Amino acid sequence: AQSVTQLGSHVSVSEGALVLLRCNYSSSVPPYLFWYVQYPNQGLQLLLKYTSAATLVKGINGFEAEFKKSETSFHLTKPSAHMSDAAEYFCAVSARTPLVFGKGTRLSVIA
Amino acid sequence: DSGVTQTPKHLITATGQRVTLRCSPRSGDLSVYWYQQSLDQGLQFLIQYYNGEERAKGNILERFSAQQFPDLHSELNLSSLELGDSALYFCASSVGGNFVTYNEQFFGPGTRLTVL
Repeated sequence: AQSVTQLGSHVSVSEGALVLLRCNYSSSVPPYLFWYVQYPNQGLQLLLKYTSAATLVKGINGFEAEFKKSETSFHLTKPSAHMSDAAEYFCAVSARTPLVFGKGTRLSVIA
Repeated sequence: DSGVTQTPKHLITATGQRVTLRCSPRSGDLSVYWYQQSLDQGLQFLIQYYNGEERAKGNILERFSAQQFPDLHSELNLSSLELGDSALYFCASSVGGNFVTYNEQFFGPGTRLTVL
């Protein structure tokens, strides 16, 4: 069975600073990997996905993630945080199965 | 706006009661997925329907059931409600119905259920 671990339930960064949200996965078969964002009182929106093409994946709003098989990681980064990035971020895995989500990381951006 | 609609937005009910949550998928999507988001369990997959038939089942309680109608909308029925069923219930839809190939899921805004 696959699983996802998001390191840090809450991350706080200053506006303009690097955003790094960590995700490690476990899967017995090559996985699909996803990052979703959830703004308050809204549903989940897909930020980016890895589906076995390029290992460096670019998404919306300036986010990107790199699939590292040797480290079983799929960390999410953004060079410069904006206030509008404050939200809950979920990493998810699908190993040809329904999505399995991590517990989420709440990102706060300080002015 | 993802194009997935869910009603109602909020639902407050008492223990032991039964409720029905409704989801309308994006136009053209044949698959509907239900998820539960709670503080204890996080975001969990409950069940998937594809073109009217159950396709995959997750951690769905026996007190919960779902169906997908010919017009492709779906309903999630929750019965004998307990305090622990209080959660945000999301519906998502996609064009395809299998997990072997990638099918992007589009999420609705959710229904917040409060059981008192």
